[in-house]
Amino acid sequence: NAGVTQTPKFRVLKTGQSMTLLCAQDMNHEYMYWYRQDPGMGLRLIHYSVGEGTTAKGEVPDGYNVSRLKKQNFLLGLESAAPSQTSVYFCASSRLARGTDTQYFGPGTRLTVL
Amino acid sequence: DAKTTQPPSMDCAEGRAANLPCNHSTISGNEYVYWYRQIHSQGPQYIIHGLKNNETNEMASLIITEDRKSSTLILPHATLRDTAVYYCIVRVGGYQKVTFGTGTKLQVIP
Repeated sequence: NAGVTQTPKFRVLKTGQSMTLLCAQDMNHEYMYWYRQDPGMGLRLIHYSVGEGTTAKGEVPDGYNVSRLKKQNFLLGLESAAPSQTSVYFCASSRLARGTDTQYFGPGTRLTVL
Repeated sequence: DAKTTQPPSMDCAEGRAANLPCNHSTISGNEYVYWYRQIHSQGPQYIIHGLKNNETNEMASLIITEDRKSSTLILPHATLRDTAVYYCIVRVGGYQKVTFGTGTKLQVIP
């Protein structure tokens, strides 16, 4: 049981390049989330998904797209990377049970955009 | 989701209990109190959650006041590995917006 995994762990992009971050979970969770964390700040929600084939915008969605084609995977795409997207990206998943859900986080992806 | 207020930093001597406070005066009746922590550069880790009763698990205890406007996370015997940023969050389960805030940076001192 690997929990939540993220690939890659590190990436350096040039402005304007595109890339996709992959999040995978093996806990059969319905909900999946993408957050970003900047120095000295808490986590901010980018996009989330409440089930396979569904996605929704979070707090800071601009410049990102997501897809959830399979229940276990949640992809975060940057179509044209900008230096402002330099950050650490965390994926999380959760299962709703009796009105509560505990989020399990991946180890993070450190992205630098030059 | 209700907003929370936590002190920005705290120190605790190794082996002593660490008591981390959180104010959530605007909490709604159906919102739970969650605690997570983030050890340097790692993903946040779930610690404990509760609605109105005190809770205890292998990691910590959660004390929620009767009016539910504040809570305290207790690490009974802090170790150096407990040095981390601790986040107090109030939310309804499954609700999409989860606001982590900036948390309390706990430094456990040898």
